[in-house]
Amino acid sequence: AQSVTQPDIHITVSEGASLELRCNYSYGATPYLFWYVQSPGQGLQLLLKYFSGDTLVQGIKGFEAEFKRSQSSFNLRKPSVHWSDAAEYFCLTGAGSYQLTFGKGTKLSVIP
Amino acid sequence: SAVISQKPSRDICQRGTSLTIQCQVDSQVTMMFWYRQQPGQSLTLIATANQGSEATYESGFVIDKFPISRPNLTFSTLTVSNMSPEDSSIYLCSVSDSLVSREQFFGPGTRLTVL
Repeated sequence: AQSVTQPDIHITVSEGASLELRCNYSYGATPYLFWYVQSPGQGLQLLLKYFSGDTLVQGIKGFEAEFKRSQSSFNLRKPSVHWSDAAEYFCLTGAGSYQLTFGKGTKLSVIP
Repeated sequence: SAVISQKPSRDICQRGTSLTIQCQVDSQVTMMFWYRQQPGQSLTLIATANQGSEATYESGFVIDKFPISRPNLTFSTLTVSNMSPEDSSIYLCSVSDSLVSREQFFGPGTRLTVL
């Protein structure tokens, strides 16, 4: 069965600083990979996805992620964080079925 | 992307009672799912709602506790039965209609508090 690990429970960065949120997956074949964001009181919003093709994917709100098969990773990056990026970020993986497995999430705090 | 609504948005219920949560999508979709997000936790898949047949439940979830209906391709309900305070969570439905990317779109959630 597929699984996903987000090793960082909570990250704090200063506004304007760069950001990298880590995600490692466990699945033998090429997985479907997603990053979602959940802002306080808001629903879950899809930031970006990977299922094939170019391993560097661009998402909304200036986010990008890179699929690295050799490291079983799909880390989320942003060059300059804004205060509005404070939220919880979830990495998800899927295998052959439609079912997705959630990571435990990383809470991002932004210092003005 | 699909637009998903859930009713109610929140509720406070007494233990031993049941609550039915509705999920409505603005277009026909292939797959519908129900998730639970316990306080401070990630999301856990409860079941896949199958149109015209019984839902497919994940390990740890049973039909008697979480009966699910899906009468058509745009609507589903989840009932939380015989509630206890441990059932206090956010319940979310999601839909997927992409055979290629498998992305899911989530409803706004129903915040349930059981006293």
